[in-house]
Amino acid sequence: DTGVSQDPRHKITKRGQNVTFRCDPISEHNRLYWYRQTLGQGPEFLTYFQNEAQLEKSRLLSDRFSAERPKGSFSTLEIQRTEQGDSAMYLCASSSSSGRAADTQYFGPGTRLTVL
Amino acid sequence: DAKTTQPPSMDCAEGRAANLPCNHSTISGNEYVYWYRQIHSQGPQYIIHGLKNNETNEMASLIITEDRKSSTLILPHATLRDTAVYYCIVRVFNDRDDKIIFGKGTRLHILP
Repeated sequence: DTGVSQDPRHKITKRGQNVTFRCDPISEHNRLYWYRQTLGQGPEFLTYFQNEAQLEKSRLLSDRFSAERPKGSFSTLEIQRTEQGDSAMYLCASSSSSGRAADTQYFGPGTRLTVL
Repeated sequence: DAKTTQPPSMDCAEGRAANLPCNHSTISGNEYVYWYRQIHSQGPQYIIHGLKNNETNEMASLIITEDRKSSTLILPHATLRDTAVYYCIVRVFNDRDDKIIFGKGTRLHILP
């Protein structure tokens, strides 16, 4: 257990429905990241926050995806009008941006999304 | 694209040392080498990282060549629980670009 939690762990939805995932980072970490992982591939970066600010978004993050971190603590990732291609493991990670080089990211257990 | 090259799979006998190689011939002077592993259906787990010196912790040792173009992760006494996909990553820290770019990793099978 890294201290990063994600909810739910599994989500099955029908195509066209909206889904929302939550990530709670390690409490003192100010950076929070979202990744997506499909079967047989390594995780792919989606977006990351420093405190409340969303600093980078991947081109993988289509208009149907939105991420928020309103108080600089937990974060939510929403997918609107889900498609079967959205089926994947959604991973959250956190780190502490202390100004030192290469702060380690710690990952949560992931949310597995299945779109029928 | 990932800046590292790893063999797609390896086998190791239980109790023996597992040596996982990684090539990163284009690594820059300010880039670190990180290793993560991912056990089936779990999130990636941090193992170890280093810049140019060899590193050791309770999980593993990291040996980085003098020219920094390759490295080896060593699990000294592999157990069945070490069966996982191991990712070698190079990354540089700066305020605006802090993402990890994963490759496909090495699938390590520990054989009983």
